[in-house]
Amino acid sequence: DTEVTQTPKHLVMGMTNKKSLKCEQHMGHRAMYWYKQKAKKPPELMFVYSYEKLSINESVPSRFSPECPNSSLLNLHLHALQPEDSALYLCASSQTQTGSYEQYFGPGTRLTVT
Amino acid sequence: AQSVTQLGSHVSVSEGALVLLRCNYSSSVPPYLFWYVQYPNQGLQLLLKYTSAATLVKGINGFEAEFKKSETSFHLTKPSAHMSDAAEYFCAVSVQGAQKLVFGQGTRLTINP
Repeated sequence: DTEVTQTPKHLVMGMTNKKSLKCEQHMGHRAMYWYKQKAKKPPELMFVYSYEKLSINESVPSRFSPECPNSSLLNLHLHALQPEDSALYLCASSQTQTGSYEQYFGPGTRLTVT
Repeated sequence: AQSVTQLGSHVSVSEGALVLLRCNYSSSVPPYLFWYVQYPNQGLQLLLKYTSAATLVKGINGFEAEFKKSETSFHLTKPSAHMSDAAEYFCAVSVQGAQKLVFGQGTRLTINP
């Protein structure tokens, strides 16, 4: 099974709302990633968790707050977002964080901030 | 630092024709290279990867890519395009010990009937 699942599929939220995105994998992978993808652009890395510890934060604004409750789950908590944060949010996982292992991507959450 | 350049933001071919999507990389150490495909409103799917075992790599859906160190290239090919190949294709690079994947800007492949 090489599946990464993400919920919800679509999310519309106001600028004062608090919401969370969820990602799950059952491949035993120890590295998990959050990416943001704008239309017609490549994914941009936001956060990396390795063995459930945050190892990379690509200078992401604090209105995005990641959480890794266990090795299978990754959350992204959203608060006071701006309209320009509207994008496709992709979760990925890989066996470990070393460069040779491919990343498996989920289907994404399409976020619209109104 | 490593980087990837995909030549051509949009490639259009006829159904049954050869598909060639170009990717050049820059890396001071031996790289790992990947091709991903993204269909509309979906996540990225791994097509194939190069990790130094063999220079010609075969992937899913009839795609293959050849690693050419002298040309710093990793072009993606498919002998005969199918309508279902229409999608966005991303080349990506990482290196041993690297903590992240670096993506090219993507190439949109259109298949004409």
